[in-house]
Amino acid sequence: DVKVTQSSRYLVKRTGEKVFLECVQDMDHENMFWYRQDPGLGLRLIYFSYDVKMKEKGDIPEGYSVSREKKERFSLILESASTNQTSMYLCASTQTSGNTIYFGEGSWLTVV
Amino acid sequence: GNSVTQMEGPVTLSEEAFLTINCTYTATGYPSLFWYVQYPGEGLQLLLKATKADDKGSNKGFEATYRKETTSFHLEKGSVQVSDSAVYFCALRKYGNKLVFGAGTILRVKS
Repeated sequence: DVKVTQSSRYLVKRTGEKVFLECVQDMDHENMFWYRQDPGLGLRLIYFSYDVKMKEKGDIPEGYSVSREKKERFSLILESASTNQTSMYLCASTQTSGNTIYFGEGSWLTVV
Repeated sequence: GNSVTQMEGPVTLSEEAFLTINCTYTATGYPSLFWYVQYPGEGLQLLLKATKADDKGSNKGFEATYRKETTSFHLEKGSVQVSDSAVYFCALRKYGNKLVFGAGTILRVKS
């Protein structure tokens, strides 16, 4: 079974802290994605990566950055967390041929 | 641009009732269409998909047909169960495997 693992399920951080959300997939997928999920808004794309060291902005990249140093790992970074970044964050991955996109279980982030 | 519109919830049904969750889309070209389901406390799982007009996706008793003429992909199930209670997301896939999601519809099934 394909597994997309988000190491932190629940985090509470203070305003201004630097936050790292980690995502690892075990199926050698080239493409990886970070979405945030908010009630009434569905999922919105923050950043995506076509392959190692490649990244592109999604629809809502402001306040976020990403790192893809290894194929299996895609990190989302909040340089200075703010309360409006309190949300559920979902990582996803797929092959370039894109048959099925697999999601992790999500990371609930609360910024106080 | 590309967008997906779903009916607002929550939708509350009794067990064995018929379910319809409406989904319409706006897109350039002919995107692939998906329904994802999110059970409480979990991530998203692919429920079904359709890649071209008139395709019908089906899984676990759920069905949806890709209607190009009405730009719709409505989700249906003939008889819902309590275990179907979840959030359902309609989505389309753009170039580069990027998904565009609707806002999600909460389904609550009462016994």
